[in-house]
Amino acid sequence: GNSVTQMEGPVTLSEEAFLTINCTYTATGYPSLFWYVQYPGEGLQLLLKATKADDKGSNKGFEATYRKETTSFHLEKGSVQVSDSAVYFCALSVRRNSGYSTLTFGKGTMLLVSP
Amino acid sequence: DGGITQSPKYLFRKEGQNVTLSCEQNLNHDAMYWYRQDPGQGLRLIYYSQIVNDFQKGDIAEGYSVSREKKESFPLTVTSAQKNPTAFYLCASSIRAGQGGEKLFFGSGTQLSVL
Repeated sequence: GNSVTQMEGPVTLSEEAFLTINCTYTATGYPSLFWYVQYPGEGLQLLLKATKADDKGSNKGFEATYRKETTSFHLEKGSVQVSDSAVYFCALSVRRNSGYSTLTFGKGTMLLVSP
Repeated sequence: DGGITQSPKYLFRKEGQNVTLSCEQNLNHDAMYWYRQDPGQGLRLIYYSQIVNDFQKGDIAEGYSVSREKKESFPLTVTSAQKNPTAFYLCASSIRAGQGGEKLFFGSGTQLSVL
């Protein structure tokens, strides 16, 4: 079936460190891939997305490249800030029997950045 | 400001009681979704609706019911048949019916607990 696997957290970094959060997926066809971010007590916000192989999504210094050959969509940032502390979710679009697509999410990875 | 409003922020359910979570959007979006979030489990899809007067079961619909009588409203009822209702519930919307690349807009969630 369709699924997303993320690295377990928490990921603990010092400010200005390099960040990588791994995400791999299993899917039929060619899904769109997403990274969402959740700050404490809030809903999720779209961080970036890629809709086809080799696309690179980027936003606020974060980047992720859709790698079809390795079925991966790893999130990276060159220099993290304390304000980046949050839970990050990788997701893929899944076409259902209804004919519509919905998102399937990974379990989330908590990032903690210290000053 | 446009957005998604979920209420209440905190809700308590007694044994054998049905409770209804409210979700309202003023974004003029066609599609709406309900997700359940448990610690370490990520988000799981309960129900989704692509148009008014139509909705589909997600991955964990048992013990839940929904209605979509108006475009802007998608209430979720947690019935007494749901034996483990304690969770954080997130409502989301997207501009159009899911074709795979749509951005989801999330509300700030309702925390449901059992007394």
